[in-house]
Amino acid sequence: EVQLVESGGGLVKPGRSLRLSCTASGFSFGDYGLSWFRQAPGKGLEWVGFIRSKAYGGTAEYAASVKGRFTISRDDSKSIAYLQMNSLESGDTAMYYCTEGQVAFWGQGTLVTVSS
Amino acid sequence: EIVMTQTPVSLSVTPGQPASISCKSSQSLLHSDGKTYLYWYLQKPGQPPQLLIHEVSSRFSGVPDRFSGSGSATDFTLKISRVEAEDVGIYYCMQSKQLPWTFGHGTKVEIK
Repeated sequence: EVQLVESGGGLVKPGRSLRLSCTASGFSFGDYGLSWFRQAPGKGLEWVGFIRSKAYGGTAEYAASVKGRFTISRDDSKSIAYLQMNSLESGDTAMYYCTEGQVAFWGQGTLVTVSS
Repeated sequence: EIVMTQTPVSLSVTPGQPASISCKSSQSLLHSDGKTYLYWYLQKPGQPPQLLIHEVSSRFSGVPDRFSGSGSATDFTLKISRVEAEDVGIYYCMQSKQLPWTFGHGTKVEIK
């Protein structure tokens, strides 16, 4: 059974950093890309970015709203993907979800609140 | 950026009746690989989205056959043949043909 578990969310002040983790199981993690999405309270879904598998270069792509501030990385030996979020803004307040490459299975999400 | 426009914004349906949601994209979602990267998700209250339909019309594993997807290029439709109480939530279409991946604003389905 495919499972994705996000962690690392919390309350953080504007301008600070936070690193989210996505721990995966039930599939061959290294063979797939991994995506991050977010959903601000009461709002719709927004794609944040994704990271390709090593077979496709392991490179990442980002939404314009987070490019230069967020970095996605992966540790295939641990089946974990990370979302490093720097220079956080109030507009980054959201539930953050990770999904596997087919965007079929979603974790339960981790809530990030950016507030002073 | 490909803009996804969903209609209606909300829908109130009597159990057992059909429902239909439209999703239009500002550009064709037909990729050069021959696939059309249009997905449908249902987000039930307090839950993450769940995949219903991928590549326009392929039902994801475990999705009841009362859900069906159709369309091509820029016009897509999700149909529920007979709405059940468990189908309430917000339905989203999403395209992954081109970066950035984008979603429709959602259609809220309620039961009368």
